[in-house]
Amino acid sequence: SQTIHQWPATLVQPVGSPLSLECTVEGTSNPNLYWYRQAAGRGLQLLFYSVGIGQISSEVPQNLSASRPQDRQFILSSKKLLLSDSGFYLCAWSGSSYNEQFFGPGTRLTVL
Amino acid sequence: GQQVMQIPQYQHVQEGEDFTTYCNSSTTLSNIQWYKQRPGGHPVFLIQLVKSGEVKKQKRLTFQFGEAKKNSSLHITATQTTDVGTYFCGLSNSGYALNFGKGTSLLVTP
Repeated sequence: SQTIHQWPATLVQPVGSPLSLECTVEGTSNPNLYWYRQAAGRGLQLLFYSVGIGQISSEVPQNLSASRPQDRQFILSSKKLLLSDSGFYLCAWSGSSYNEQFFGPGTRLTVL
Repeated sequence: GQQVMQIPQYQHVQEGEDFTTYCNSSTTLSNIQWYKQRPGGHPVFLIQLVKSGEVKKQKRLTFQFGEAKKNSSLHITATQTTDVGTYFCGLSNSGYALNFGKGTSLLVTP
């Protein structure tokens, strides 16, 4: 069966520090991968998605970036965090463009 | 771009009452998906609707896709405390990404 992992589960970082969040999927190949951010009590904002290794589409311009170095690995990064980057970051995968998305457990990021 | 409106934003009901959330799009959709997120958890897929006028049921949950494929609803009959959470619609008019609504947060008190 397929599983999706995210780490760390929680993170507290100072403003201006770098960020690296990792997401890995097991049990499937060539998945579509997604990064979402959810601010407290708010909806799901799509940040990036990827349909293959090295292929990244950005939905929202910001100080975040994403990379897909391997088929089942998706990384969210920032060189300098802002206060507004605080939130709940969710990684998801799907089998194709119209299939359901399966979400990871998420990372709660607090930028102080 | 595609506009997604989900209403209401919040709903507080007594256990046993019914609940409905609505999702409206400014554009015609190829499909719509519904997700549930429990407090502190991550979204979990509930269902996908593809056909115009489609109605699907999952026990006490009824999902409907509008005839024009621009709106959808989720109805819960006789809510239970286990129904607590936020319900999101995810819209797709083509391509790989879903455009999610802001969700409806449901609180059920015994």
